[in-house]
Formats: sequence, C-alpha cells, structure tokens
Amino acid sequence: GQSLEQPSEVTAVEGAIVQINCTYQTSGFYGLSWYQQHDGGAPTFLSYNALDGLEETGRFSSFLSRSDSYGYLLLQELQMKDSASYFCAVRLLSGNTPLVFGKGTRLSVIA
Amino acid sequence: DTEVTQTPKHLVMGMTNKKSLKCEQHMGHRAMYWYKQKAKKPPELMFVYSYEKLSINESVPSRFSPECPNSSLLNLHLHALQPEDSALYLCASSQDIADAVTEAFFGQGTRLTVV
Repeated sequence: GQSLEQPSEVTAVEGAIVQINCTYQTSGFYGLSWYQQHDGGAPTFLSYNALDGLEETGRFSSFLSRSDSYGYLLLQELQMKDSASYFCAVRLLSGNTPLVFGKGTRLSVIA
Repeated sequence: DTEVTQTPKHLVMGMTNKKSLKCEQHMGHRAMYWYKQKAKKPPELMFVYSYEKLSINESVPSRFSPECPNSSLLNLHLHALQPEDSALYLCASSQDIADAVTEAFFGQGTRLTVV
C-alpha cells in the first residue's frame, strides 16, 4: 500500500519561515506535488518535484529526497493569506490512480 | 481561460431525490476527475475520464453515476444518496492523466448536503 504522512497542524508567525514535511511509504511514484486549499475553496497547484532537490517558486520552495522517502514545502515571508491547508500528492507508478493526496496540514499564520 | 467551473455551488437534496452536478472546462484538457472531500480530509478520487471514456472507477457506489457528454463537460448524477454522502464534490482536469501529477486544475466544488 501507500501512505503520505503530514503533520495535521502547524502554527507560525507572520513574516517567519515554515516547513511542512511529507513522508511517504510507496512502491514508486513519478513525482511529488503540493497543493494549497483555503477554507471553502478549491485545491490549487503550488509546486512539483520530479527529481531530488529543491524547486523554488517565489516565496514557496519544495524539496524531494527519494532516498529518504521525504519531501517538504517551505514557505518564506509568511503572510496571513497563507493560512490554509497544504497537501502533498503523488502519482503512483503502479495502478491507475492519477493523484493520491496526503492527509493535509492546516497552517495557521498569526500576527 | 484556466478555470474549471462547477454548478451548483451548494445543493441540498433528500434521500429520494435525483440531482446532477455539472463541471465544465475550456482548456482543452482530455482528463477530467471527480473527487469527494469530507471536512478536514484530503480529496478522495471517485472517477477519472480520459478522452471522454471512463478510465477509473474507485469502487464508488452505483448511486453515483458519472457522465462525460463531450470533452469539455463532466456530470455526476446522484440518486438515492445517504446522509453520509454529504461532502464537497470537486471536479478537476488536466492535460491528460499523466499530467495530473504536475498540475491538475480544480473547480470550487459543490457543497452537497443530503437530508
């Protein structure tokens, strides 16, 4: 089977940096994606790592280490609007399921 | 246009009703998906259509019936639902199934309440 584990909740101060981890147990996957979802809203794509290493997109960076079965999303210069749920997701090599989501991390940014 | 549009935004239905959820995209995407999301949980895949053909059915009860009339439209027909089916139903699309991993576009969802 496969599982993607994330912390359920994280709280951080406005202007700070926060890291949301995603550890996984899976037989193999194409890459690791991150999605953001505000309350009442749709999940929106943030970042994708096909290869090990760091991908940077503005204030958001994502990292993948296949050897450590681990990835993370790094948010810098936190803003109140970053308060949302963040999901890591993978597409498995086996089977047909296109996107399997982690349990999600609720990020609360406080003043 | 990078939007996936879902209607209605909210729906309340009785257990004996028949209703339909609609989803539309005009990005030329050939893969479309239905997900179900309960509060504080991740989206769970229900169905996948690839090139207008049902590609994946994740063991969804028959009271949910998907339909893809054309490459831009995706419907989810609902009949004889149970209160536990109350959830946010999300439609998504991607260029094709392989691209779901890089970027899938989600609609705002239909908040369904079964009474």
